[in-house]
Amino acid sequence: GESVGLHLPTLSVQEGDNSIINCAYSNSASDYFIWYKQESGKGPQFIIDIRSNMDKRQGQRVTVLLNKTVKHLSLQIAATQPGDSAVYFCAENKDTDKLIFGTGTRLQVFP
Amino acid sequence: EPEVTQTPSHQVTQMGQEVILRCVPISNHLYFYWYRQILGQKVEFLVSFYNNEISEKSEIFDDQFSVERPDGSNFTLKIRSTKLEDSAMYFCASRFGSSSGNTIYFGEGSWLTVV
Repeated sequence: GESVGLHLPTLSVQEGDNSIINCAYSNSASDYFIWYKQESGKGPQFIIDIRSNMDKRQGQRVTVLLNKTVKHLSLQIAATQPGDSAVYFCAENKDTDKLIFGTGTRLQVFP
Repeated sequence: EPEVTQTPSHQVTQMGQEVILRCVPISNHLYFYWYRQILGQKVEFLVSFYNNEISEKSEIFDDQFSVERPDGSNFTLKIRSTKLEDSAMYFCASRFGSSSGNTIYFGEGSWLTVV
């Protein structure tokens, strides 16, 4: 049958507001998680990562929260800027040599 | 900042033809990867490569695909007898170490269109 592209959830925020992007991961044994930003026509760009022995990690304007109990990961972006507009993917890794990507969330920032 | 570079950025090929996508990973990295992203879909793992051999591959990476590190800097993905459904963005990636916590860096991608 014909393959259909995934419909990306979209988060629209006003410039200056905080953004929270959520991700549910699949494997309870995953021990490393990464958030990537992908702008149109470009490759995934590393934003921040977190290991399973942590529940929070902060970077510059970004914070990742990990809730292993419910297998949930979130990315918080403070003072969202127009340049933050992109698709954001979470990815998980466990022992194997590959990343498993989520479906992505499109962040739209409007003035 | 060091980066993964890929060529070509865009290639159009006829169905049945062979294509080679090229990548130059970050110079001190030891682990290399190819991923692909069909338009509008999520990024999918194809293959990982270390010490001149494949360490892991996905179901997508069948006999139609092969990888090679022909010299100390390049890492290539060959797709034989291309099909329409091979049309996608192909990303090369690399990292220094294999353990969790070693960041995987992606190139800008090679967009393959099979017609």
